[in-house]
Amino acid sequence: DVKVTQSSRYLVKRTGEKVFLECVQDMDHENMFWYRQDPGLGLRLIYFSYDVKMKEKGDIPEGYSVSREKKERFSLILESASTNQTSMYLCASSPSGRGTGELFFGEGSRLTVL
Amino acid sequence: QKEVEQNSGPLSVPEGAIASLNCTYSDRGSQSFFWYRQYSGKSPELIMSIYSNGDKEDGRFTAQLNKASQYVSLLIRDSQPSDSATYLCAVSGGYQKVTFGTGTKLQVIP
Repeated sequence: DVKVTQSSRYLVKRTGEKVFLECVQDMDHENMFWYRQDPGLGLRLIYFSYDVKMKEKGDIPEGYSVSREKKERFSLILESASTNQTSMYLCASSPSGRGTGELFFGEGSRLTVL
Repeated sequence: QKEVEQNSGPLSVPEGAIASLNCTYSDRGSQSFFWYRQYSGKSPELIMSIYSNGDKEDGRFTAQLNKASQYVSLLIRDSQPSDSATYLCAVSGGYQKVTFGTGTKLQVIP
């Protein structure tokens, strides 16, 4: 059974803290994505990666960075957390080629920044 | 203009009826189109993908694509209360970026 695992389901952090969200997939997928989901705004793409050490900015990359040192792992980093980064963060992976848009999602990480 | 637009709903249909969900997109270069279902408190899951004009059927679900009109739809036949969820339309171009609409909430009334 395919699986995308996010390290933390719930996190509470203070403003200014550095936050790491980890994501691991076991499907040998080339593509990995980080989205945030907010009521009324839907899923918004933060960053995606199509290969190890490769990354591309999505629609809202400001305040975030990513790391992909191994094919199966894609990390999202909030260098200095702010209250407007309180959100549900969803990691996803997909195969390359035509199936790029066939995303498998993790269970999500709900981040609260106080 | 949003890249992928959906009516937020809620769309209410009686059990056993056909639910029709619609989506428009702005990028004419889009090549791949997807429908995801998201239950409350859960992550989205892929239910349909469509890559060429016309209809694609899978069980009670039919996806319809009209690239000339930049329009994608999802029909759910014999709607069940278990179909109550938010349905997300997603679009991908010739590269890896995948853009989602804000979703349509469907309520199937027993």
